[in-house]
Amino acid sequence: DTAVSQTPKYLVTQMGNDKSIKCEQNLGHDTMYWYKQDSKKFLKIMFSYNNKELIINETVPNRFSPKSPDKAHLNLHINSLELGDSAVYFCASTISGGLSTDTQYFGPGTRLTVL
Amino acid sequence: KQEVTQIPAALSVPEGENLVLNCSFTDSAIYNLQWFRQDPGKGLTSLLLIQSSQREQTSGRLNASLDKSSGRSTLYIAASQPGDSATYLCAVKAAGNKLTFGGGTRVLVKP
Repeated sequence: DTAVSQTPKYLVTQMGNDKSIKCEQNLGHDTMYWYKQDSKKFLKIMFSYNNKELIINETVPNRFSPKSPDKAHLNLHINSLELGDSAVYFCASTISGGLSTDTQYFGPGTRLTVL
Repeated sequence: KQEVTQIPAALSVPEGENLVLNCSFTDSAIYNLQWFRQDPGKGLTSLLLIQSSQREQTSGRLNASLDKSSGRSTLYIAASQPGDSATYLCAVKAAGNKLTFGGGTRVLVKP
């Protein structure tokens, strides 16, 4: 049983297209995150949702729009894809996000390549 | 703004040698510090979590220390094995429930 799952695992698309990445967690966690890992392997947080409510929104182009239909799902929609969007996108979840004991559990990542 | 640095960026050791990985952070107002392992093409696996009130955590061959006042953490891996080859990332959690990651240390353990 996968705790945090993402689909698709690989995504290759043309510049200008719109695409979505889906994330689901079956851990019963309240808080979910999206991270971007660039070619230099730096992981940076993009968004965080707690119980379907946006609580973290880093400086991310508004072409990126997260959507949380319920607390077990956090999807990422990207409009007008650009070359610089090529990266690995990781979804993560944690129980509440507010405790010092909270461990974040990561999905396997989605490798996005924009041609 | 919190910044996390990991040195060295890459490390190669013969099997059996102990590994010492360093992590430093600029803002000591943290809730916790986590060490993760990332295998090529895979997600992150949490190894150890040290709360801000703790000095160290141990799990098997892994031991992580935390000196919050100096903004440093060290991950020790005893008697390294080829299976320990991976990238190790440290991350600190501060206000706003954000994890700030270091750039990682890529470890290669040679048989």
